[in-house]
Amino acid sequence: QVQLQESGPGLVKPSQTLSLTCTVSGGSITSGNYYWSWIRQPAGKGLEWIGRIYTSGSTNYNPSLKSRVTISVDTSKNQFSLKLSSVTAADTAVYYCASATHYYGSYYFDYWGQGTLVTVSS
Amino acid sequence: DIQMTQSPSSLSASVGDRVTITCRASQSISIYLNWYQQKPGKAPKLLIYSASNLQSGVPSRLSGSGSGTDFTLTISSLQPEDFATYYCQQSYSTPQTFGPGTKVDIK
Repeated sequence: QVQLQESGPGLVKPSQTLSLTCTVSGGSITSGNYYWSWIRQPAGKGLEWIGRIYTSGSTNYNPSLKSRVTISVDTSKNQFSLKLSSVTAADTAVYYCASATHYYGSYYFDYWGQGTLVTVSS
Repeated sequence: DIQMTQSPSSLSASVGDRVTITCRASQSISIYLNWYQQKPGKAPKLLIYSASNLQSGVPSRLSGSGSGTDFTLTISSLQPEDFATYYCQQSYSTPQTFGPGTKVDIK
């Protein structure tokens, strides 16, 4: 059973860079047909897909965030990471990491971290 | 981006009721539609993938159908553990987008 756990600062100052890491346990990050994804949810609101990375290193980002987002993978540590630059209060949200299984052309998020609240405030 | 809408945005129902939630995509997404359940303070949980495939461990009272632009999630007999918010999500193209959610609460 794959498990994911987010870690990183819970408070980031405006204009700085938000950095989060997701540690994968219960399986290798390089095994299976998984894309490793970040999703966020502002309080009381819906879910927003941020982007994903495959273990080859190929990435896809949400165009609304693309200029500020970098997702990377460290296979030696079984981790993948998110960096979001130039943050504002609008970036305050619960951030989830998730694995997306690729199934006959479809992708679905079958494993999720518990989520971590990141607040952008001075 | 493909826009996803859901109706209703909320509903009140009783244990044992049959509940249907609708999700509509702004363009055809074939069967690339997934459903999630989220309870307060928890991560979403995958219920159904590719429109109609029940995720392992999900009760059979839940079912999904549809293709193209119109999809439904049905709970045949609502149970206490089903009171939650439900989201649809398309994986036809990036950015993958979610519906705004449907909150199911107790009447």
